Amino acid sequence: AQSVTQPDARVTVSEGASLQLRCKYSSSGTPYLFWYVQYPRQGLQLLLKYYSGDPVVQGVNGFEAEFSKSNSSFHLRKASVHWSDSAVYFCVLRRNSNNRIFFGDGTQLVVKP
Amino acid sequence: GPKVLQIPSHQIIDMGQMVTLNCDPVSNHLYFYWYKQILGQQMEFLVNFYNGKVMEKSKLFKDQFSVERPDGSYFTLKIQPTALEDSAVYFCASSSSGGNYAEQFFGPGTRLTVL
Repeated sequence: AQSVTQPDARVTVSEGASLQLRCKYSSSGTPYLFWYVQYPRQGLQLLLKYYSGDPVVQGVNGFEAEFSKSNSSFHLRKASVHWSDSAVYFCVLRRNSNNRIFFGDGTQLVVKP
Repeated sequence: GPKVLQIPSHQIIDMGQMVTLNCDPVSNHLYFYWYKQILGQQMEFLVNFYNGKVMEKSKLFKDQFSVERPDGSYFTLKIQPTALEDSAVYFCASSSSGGNYAEQFFGPGTRLTVL
């Protein structure tokens, strides 16, 4: 069975602080993993993606994520957040057998000034 | 970057009526998708579409749903007749390939309210 869990519905951090948004996945096959961000009244935008190779992948705007097969996780990190990072972040899993993708519930990130 | 547009942004209709949601995908993309997100719930896959055909659909894609992209125009999702449980935000996406690593570009969503 395929599923994605984002255990934190809402995360609040101060501007300049570091950030980690958690994502756990379950996949019967090789997982293709993505992080998307959604700003208000906009579509989802891709931050980064992982399939194989170096487990730490770099994305846009200083975001990175680390894949862990042993922990079935794909946590998103940023060293220093900016107020403009406030948005909803989705962890997404894609099966390697077809085009179906599975979304986490999303994590609302609030960056306080 | 490439943008997917969705028209309208909001739609309110009476139960039993027909509704068509329109998606203007990225211009050179060939694969199209619809997703449904009920308020407070996960976004869920509905259908994907390629070369004029439905490639895969989920159990959420009821018989009352249909998709088409006539002559390279809008990619549409039609619901006829609508039901109260169809109230949700519907997201369209497109990609240039169907590969597993292909990025899907998402529209901003159409909020459908069925009264």
